[in-house]
Amino acid sequence: EVQLLESGGGLVQPGGSLRLSCAASGFTFSNYAMTWVRQAPGKGLEWVSTLSGSSDYTYYADSVKGRFTVSRDNSKNTLYLQMNSLRAEDTGIYYCARDTSAGDCWDYWGQGTLVTVSS
Amino acid sequence: EIVLTQSPGTLSLSPGERATLSCRASQSVSSAYLAWYQQKPGQAPRLLLFAASSRATDIPDRFSGSGSGTDFTLTISRLEPEDFAVYYCQQYGSHGHTFGQGTKLEIK
Repeated sequence: EVQLLESGGGLVQPGGSLRLSCAASGFTFSNYAMTWVRQAPGKGLEWVSTLSGSSDYTYYADSVKGRFTVSRDNSKNTLYLQMNSLRAEDTGIYYCARDTSAGDCWDYWGQGTLVTVSS
Repeated sequence: EIVLTQSPGTLSLSPGERATLSCRASQSVSSAYLAWYQQKPGQAPRLLLFAASSRATDIPDRFSGSGSGTDFTLTISRLEPEDFAVYYCQQYGSHGHTFGQGTKLEIK
């Protein structure tokens, strides 16, 4: 059974940093690109970043480019999101999701971790 | 960036009725890269359809998708109580992925 479990969320001040983790199990992690998607409170979904299975390509939304860094450790079956220079508008639930083999959408999602940026 | 606009914003229907949800793109989208998700309160999104009309694993056949170019539709043939949720369309293009703003399907 595919499982994705996010952790690392919490309350952080504007300008601060946070690192999220996503522990994966139930599939060969290194064979799949992985993605972070976020959702502001009461709002819709926003794609954040995608990282290929072998970490040879990354993509970022313009809203986080230069501030967020996605990475993975295939030996630990874990995906990360390093978030720096956080802003109030980064507040929301952060989901990790597994890309389909075509890489165009996401077939498994974690339950999310809440990030709150506030003073 | 391709903008996806979903309509209506809210759809009020009764169990057993047919639901038709629309997703319109600001420019042409490859059908291969159009997906639909369902999200219930407090839960993660769930993939329903990919490539515009292919059902994901374990998705009932009352869910179907159609469309091409800039106009796509999600149809739920006979609403079950568990179908009342928010639905999002999503596309993948050269500038990354974008979602529609969602359609809330509520019980009338």
